[in-house]
Amino acid sequence: NAGVMQNPRHLVRRRGQEARLRCSPMKGHSHVYWYRQLPEEGLKFMVYLQKENIIDESGMPKERFSAEFPKEGPSILRIQQVVRGDSAAYFCASSPFGGRRETQYFGPGTRLLVL
Amino acid sequence: DQQVKQNSPSLSVQEGRISILNCDYTNSMFDYFLWYKKYPAEGPTFLISISSIKDKNEDGRFTVFLNKSAKHLSLHIVPSQPGDSAVYFCAASPNAGNMLTFGGGTRLMVKP
Repeated sequence: NAGVMQNPRHLVRRRGQEARLRCSPMKGHSHVYWYRQLPEEGLKFMVYLQKENIIDESGMPKERFSAEFPKEGPSILRIQQVVRGDSAAYFCASSPFGGRRETQYFGPGTRLLVL
Repeated sequence: DQQVKQNSPSLSVQEGRISILNCDYTNSMFDYFLWYKKYPAEGPTFLISISSIKDKNEDGRFTVFLNKSAKHLSLHIVPSQPGDSAVYFCAASPNAGNMLTFGGGTRLMVKP
């Protein structure tokens, strides 16, 4: 499967725990974007990363959320001390060059449920 | 403040007819627009895009129209098929930056 891969597909956490969401971009893509979709809403941009660099994190909540895209391995979106309002679908997208007007291809998402 | 709006939350169309999905935007800095289709429990799938230098782009049954003066775009699907039933999102990208701003989606139901 050459598409964007995300795991886990479903994640259940209790309030106060940590959630780690992983994203492997399409083969040949080195630019990764994370979006969040709350129930009955559209997707909202969170962060844009290139290998080992955060390019744009203007959509990231200031606290508890962090993202990385190491030289080797998948991109990780980390949510510390989760709260019920973090329950959402988290989608990762990738593109090859990060250029202007470049299509972003999405993974299947991780559905986070905070109890 | 929603910069990209899809004012129709749902649309029902008969198979074989035309489906028209609409999208309005407010930010003049947007210059690239995309439509994605999304099935439940899956990620958005890219359908078609248009640059602000064009007013129409066609790909098979899908055509996107852009009216820059009205800050309006629409997706036409002809003929509609039951497999087209999904939620459709329009998205916009600014002339500086790569982030996509999405509308709230329109649920299309194509009846056999």
